[in-house]
Amino acid sequence: DADVTQTPRNRITKTGKRIMLECSQTKGHDRMYWYRQDPGLGLRLIYYSFDVKDINKGEISDGYSVSRQAQAKFSLSLESAIPNQTALYFCATRADRDFAGELFFGEGSRLTVL
Amino acid sequence: GQNIDQPTEMTATEGAIVQINCTYQTSGFNGLFWYQQHAGEAPTFLSYNVLDGLEEKGRFSSFLSRSKGYSYLLLKELQMKDSASYLCAVNPPGGGNKLTFGTGTQLKVEL
Repeated sequence: DADVTQTPRNRITKTGKRIMLECSQTKGHDRMYWYRQDPGLGLRLIYYSFDVKDINKGEISDGYSVSRQAQAKFSLSLESAIPNQTALYFCATRADRDFAGELFFGEGSRLTVL
Repeated sequence: GQNIDQPTEMTATEGAIVQINCTYQTSGFNGLFWYQQHAGEAPTFLSYNVLDGLEEKGRFSSFLSRSKGYSYLLLKELQMKDSASYLCAVNPPGGGNKLTFGTGTQLKVEL
């Protein structure tokens, strides 16, 4: 089983719908992240969390919200999806307080908003 | 702030050597990462440099010059499976423990 699991892997929805992407991890890391990836734009940080009580906005948080339900779970919500939120979304975890620590990514959730 | 630049695309021949460059502008520096990403898959970690010099890992090596804001990833004995996007990422100054990524270099390995 993957250390970082994302559900759903693929989702097609309509404009205005509420969507939740879920992420769970078994690595025991406190730090969790949500990135989106668009062709030509690379990976951009949406939100990140250093523990259950700590949530921080990334560079592109508008239109998104997150919930850290437990150390192992970090979900991303689109309250009212719009077509320009069509992208590949990645959840990632990282070891604590370690600049050398690598990010461990989930397999990605491909979201299409019609 | 940070501005990470990488070439958009590169093409190389199987068995050859290719160098993928990354430049960054940052008011502080806490290390640089290289990731490999095959189409439709998650990025996977290749290397981390925080001090100047070359780090070698098998066919892959990564170099850093902090004074020049420059890094490169060197791939030797290229194989077809090395066709992928290569992402450069830096730790931002001031903490935060989050990575900022370049847009990636799409490498195509040809026969």
